This record gives sequence, structure tokens and C-alpha cells, in this order.
Amino acid sequence: QKEVEQNSGPLSVPEGAIASLNCTYSDRGSQSFFWYRQYSGKSPELIMFIYSNGDKEDGRFTAQLNKASQYVSLLIRDSQPSDSATYLCAVRAQYGNKLVFGAGTILRVKS
Amino acid sequence: DGGITQSPKYLFRKEGQNVTLSCEQNLNHDAMYWYRQDPGQGLRLIYYSQIVNDFQKGDIAEGYSVSREKKESFPLTVTSAQKNPTAFYLCASSIGTSTVRQQFFGPGTRLTVL
Repeated sequence: QKEVEQNSGPLSVPEGAIASLNCTYSDRGSQSFFWYRQYSGKSPELIMFIYSNGDKEDGRFTAQLNKASQYVSLLIRDSQPSDSATYLCAVRAQYGNKLVFGAGTILRVKS
Repeated sequence: DGGITQSPKYLFRKEGQNVTLSCEQNLNHDAMYWYRQDPGQGLRLIYYSQIVNDFQKGDIAEGYSVSREKKESFPLTVTSAQKNPTAFYLCASSIGTSTVRQQFFGPGTRLTVL
């Protein structure tokens, strides 16, 4: 079992819809959870982080964390074509600075 | 401007050659990292350093070497022992003492072995 799992996609949504991206992790001691956006040929850009159970909202983005189910998600409201990218989920273990990355989900927003 | 710089952006290497990728940050971050990304895959950790003059192997350290002589610099050498070095190499840094310790990435170096 991979430590951090994501559906590779592509996930296709129409412009203006809600995109839902999911991530599961295996280490119950994980402390912090990150969502990065990566455009083709570019480096990852941090979108959001979350470390408490529940929801965290920032503009059109909402991160949701459920530690009991070892599940973290990212919702993108009012999706735009510019949101088309690969979204990487990353998890930090209980101790140390290392992040473990999922393989990423490709999102395509169609206008 | 604060940030992380990597050079060169593109690098071509002949088989059997060692090459060194540069990573510099002026964010005053304690920790620095090197990742490798292959097409359609996530990031895999090569080496990381939490403090000057100290570094640890990541998940795929074989065929790579690093140094951390200054806080702001963390160069990566890809040696001839690395069997499949063609990849996108990403350097990152983070505040070592932050509770969340989010990592920020440089623009990357794309290495191609000819």
C-alpha cells in the first residue's frame, strides 16, 4: 500500500462546477497535510495546508481533513480553466520535516 | 525578492559525467530538500538537510551526493553511478521550527542524459 494515494485522473469538470480531489494516507501519526498545484513543466505551488480535523476555507478552495478515516480532500468551487493542473497531496509525519507526496490528480476544467 | 533559485533550468549530460545542480534560498529557512520527479509521478525525496553541515538520505539517495556548507545553499551532484538520471529535479526549503513546516519549491532543473 502506498503511503499517500490519489486517483490519477484525469478528473474533468465543466467551468463553474465544483471539483473534488481526494487523498488517503496510511500513517495515523501524520500531522500536517498539504495541497500543491503543479502546472505542466513548472514546480509545485502551495495552495493550502490543514492540520486540524474539519474544514479550512481560502477563497474558492476548501480543504477537508478526517484523521479517523485518514482522508483529506480539496474542493475547488467555481472551477476555472486556469485551475487545470495536477494537484499533489503531501503529508508530514508526526516527527521530522519530511513530506510524502502522492502521485497527483490531473484536473481538467472545460469551458 | 525572497525566494528559491535553481540553476541551470535545463541541463544536458553525457553518460559517465557528474553534474552539479545549484539551489540557493534567501528566505532564511533552516531546512532544504531535493526531490526528483519523473513523468506522471509524484515527488521522491533524494536528500534533505535540517541544519548547516548536516544532511540525511531520503528514499532514493543512491547515485546522488549533497553538501550544506552554508545555510542558503544546498547543491546536488548527480554522479555517474545514478543509472537513470533523466528527470525533473526540484529543490525546496522550509522553516525548520514552524509547527506546520510547509515547503516552498524552486523552479526546478530538467536534466537530460544524452
